[in-house]
Amino acid sequence: AQSVTQPDIHITVSEGASLELRCNYSYGATPYLFWYVQSPGQGLQLLLKYFSGDTLVQGIKGFEAEFKRSQSSFNLRKPSVHWSDAAEYFCAAGGNKLVFGAGTILRVKS
Amino acid sequence: NAGVTQTPKFRILKIGQSMTLQCTQDMNHNYMYWYRQDPGMGLKLIYYSVGAGITDKGEVPNGYNVSRSTTEDFPLRLELAAPSQTSVYFCASSQIQSNYGYTFGSGTRLTVV
Repeated sequence: AQSVTQPDIHITVSEGASLELRCNYSYGATPYLFWYVQSPGQGLQLLLKYFSGDTLVQGIKGFEAEFKRSQSSFNLRKPSVHWSDAAEYFCAAGGNKLVFGAGTILRVKS
Repeated sequence: NAGVTQTPKFRILKIGQSMTLQCTQDMNHNYMYWYRQDPGMGLKLIYYSVGAGITDKGEVPNGYNVSRSTTEDFPLRLELAAPSQTSVYFCASSQIQSNYGYTFGSGTRLTVV
């Protein structure tokens, strides 16, 4: 069965520190891969996506993600976190139907 | 562009009542989806549609029904509300080429008491 695993339910980082959110997927073939962000009470906003080509993809708000086929991973990174990055982050994988991970809540401490 | 519009934003239902969650998109997207979001569970697919007149079940369809009479609209129907349907519901749409990702509505928070 197709699945997406986000191992970390909560992560707390200091403002200005680097960030990495983990995502692993289980899929029959290399799926399309996405990261979304959700602020409290809001819908989901697309941060970035991967479907082919360069394995390091750039997104909005200074985020990037690296696709590693050998590890079935698509980890999200940011070099320097801002307080406004505090939100819940979802990894998703699939074709025309996306499967979402359970989400990682990011807290930023000043 | 309004994108994906969901109504209502909040609703409280009594057990056994019925209601329809509305979803409209103005991007001429063929694909539309309904997900429910529960704390710590991520988003689970309820139903989806690949075009007007075509719908199919997702991972958690029990207790729900959908219809797709136009490209723009994809309402979700709850016939006999149960406490287990307390959740946040999101409608989304996408182009045929799904590598563009989804556009999400702002959600409907439903409480069944």
